[in-house]
Amino acid sequence: QKEVEQNSGPLSVPEGAIASLNCTYSDRGSQSFFWYRQYSGKSPELIMFIYSNGDKEDGRFTAQLNKASQYVSLLIRDSQPSDSATYLCAVNSRDSSYKLIFGSGTRLLVRP
Amino acid sequence: KAGVTQTPRYLIKTRGQQVTLSCSPISGHRSVSWYQQTPGQGLQFLFEYFSETQRNKGNFPGRFSGRQFSNSRSEMNVSTLELGDSALYLCASSLEPSGSSGANVLTFGAGSRLTVL
Repeated sequence: QKEVEQNSGPLSVPEGAIASLNCTYSDRGSQSFFWYRQYSGKSPELIMFIYSNGDKEDGRFTAQLNKASQYVSLLIRDSQPSDSATYLCAVNSRDSSYKLIFGSGTRLLVRP
Repeated sequence: KAGVTQTPRYLIKTRGQQVTLSCSPISGHRSVSWYQQTPGQGLQFLFEYFSETQRNKGNFPGRFSGRQFSNSRSEMNVSTLELGDSALYLCASSLEPSGSSGANVLTFGAGSRLTVL
């Protein structure tokens, strides 16, 4: 089992819709969870991070964390074509000596 | 404030050669992590350095090595290059090591794209 799993997609949504990206992780002791966005040919850039169970909102982005179920999700409201990118989930895993482990990413396509 | 600077941005090598990549972290950041990114494997952790010491190492062969200097700049070296080493090598810096606190955010450089022929 991979430490951090994401559906590779592509996830295709129409402009203005809500995009929901999901990530599961294997280490129950994980403490920090990050979402990065990577445009084609560019390096990953941080969108947001979350540590506590529940929701965390930042503009059009909401991260949701459920430690009991070991999943973290990212909601993008009012999706725009400029949101089309690969979204990487990263987990700070105790099992991996706390190095940041990335999922393989979900490709999001927002149709105009 | 300058970001993470990686050099060279692109390079082409042949099998058997060796390569050295350089990373200058954001000023004040003392931790540097290296990742390999390929289409098939995604972002794979190579190693992390803090205060000139390797704190973590990923599952890569000994041909992959790195070091960090007193000014926090880091280099990674790959010896005896293989075709499968063709990848984007990303360096990321942070204020503190990965496991030190939840606020430890990685900022990535633009990467060094290595092609092995």
